[in-house]
Formats: sequence, structure tokens, C-alpha cells
Amino acid sequence: DVKVTQSSRYLVKRTGEKVFLECVQDMDHENMFWYRQDPGLGLRLIYFSYDVKMKEKGDIPEGYSVSREKKERFSLILESASTNQTSMYLCASSWGASNEKLFFGSGTQLSVL
Amino acid sequence: GQQLNQSPQSMFIQEGEDVSMNCTSSSIFNTWLWYKQDPGEGPVLLIALYKAGELTSNGRLTAQFGITRKDSFLNISASIPSDVGIYFCAGQRIPNSGYALNFGKGTSLLVTP
Repeated sequence: DVKVTQSSRYLVKRTGEKVFLECVQDMDHENMFWYRQDPGLGLRLIYFSYDVKMKEKGDIPEGYSVSREKKERFSLILESASTNQTSMYLCASSWGASNEKLFFGSGTQLSVL
Repeated sequence: GQQLNQSPQSMFIQEGEDVSMNCTSSSIFNTWLWYKQDPGEGPVLLIALYKAGELTSNGRLTAQFGITRKDSFLNISASIPSDVGIYFCAGQRIPNSGYALNFGKGTSLLVTP
């Protein structure tokens, strides 16, 4: 089975801190994605990547950046965390050009105080 | 990304009842998908639909790709407590969308024994 592992299940940070959320997948998938999930708003795409060192902005990239130095790892970076970035963050990966089958991690609940 | 309107927002039903939920869009999609998120986990793909009019089943779940290609429906028959979770519709417009999925806001399902 495909495994998508997110480094932390819960994270508490202070306003202004630089925050790294890490995601690793073990199935050699080309495509990786970062979503945030908020009650009543569903899943919103932050950034995605189709290959190493490539990145594309999603619907809500402001305040975030990403890094993909290796195929299996996709990092989400909050340069200066703010309280409105308190959310559940979900990483996903998929294979090939057809992205309909996304494999998700269990999520990181980030609280920014 | 393209807005998907998913309804109802939440449902509270008794075990054994049937459930219906739907998703609509103002634009055409070439693929419709239904994901389920169990509490504390990431979403998992339930059903994928690739052709207008297609009706596909997965156990007690049945989903349909609307004829207009602007909507999709998910039905759950004889609900059981483990059906609890959030159900997301998702659409994909290939090739113009850049392959990333657009998700609905989710339908939260609660089932009482």
C-alpha cells in the first residue's frame, strides 16, 4: 500500500515563527500536493509539484512556499506564521498524468498562537 | 479553482437509512470523484467516474456522473455506523486545469445506531 507520511500530527507555533511541514511518500509518485482543510471550506489547494524542483501555485498560495529537492519529499513552509494559518494541513501524492487517485497523509493540525 | 457546490452540508441519520448527496458545478468536468474522510484520517478515494451518464457501484455506495457533465450524485444504502465521516466530491478538467483536482466543501455524515 502507498504510504504518505506527515512528520507531525499536531504542531503548536507562535505568530511570526518559520514553520516547516514535511511530507514523505514511498511509492515513487511524481505528483505531490499540499491542501489545507477548514470547517465549512473543504479542501483548498495551496501548492503542488509534478517533479523534483518544480512547483505550481494552487488556489491559496499566499503566505506559503514549498520545496521539493527529492522526489519522495515535499515540504510546506510558512515563512512567518500567522493566526489565520491555524488549520489542518493535508499532503497527498499521485502517479502520472491522471491525478484522480490521490493518496493522502493523515494530516497535521497546526495551531498558531 | 472552479467552485463545486456540494449538498447537503451535513446529515444526521439513523442506522439503516439510505443517504443521498450531490455536487454541482457551473463548468463541465471530464472526471468526477467521491472521497471519504474518516475521523482523524486523510480522505480516501471511493469511486471514480469517467463518462457522462456512468453509474458505478462500490458495495453499498452508488455514484453517477450527470448527463450534463456538470453534476454527480452519491447514494449510500442501508447506512451503518462506520459510514460516519466527511464525503467530498471532486472534479477534474483535463487538460486545461493543470491536472489538480477541485474539491467540494464536503458533506458531514453522522449515523446513530
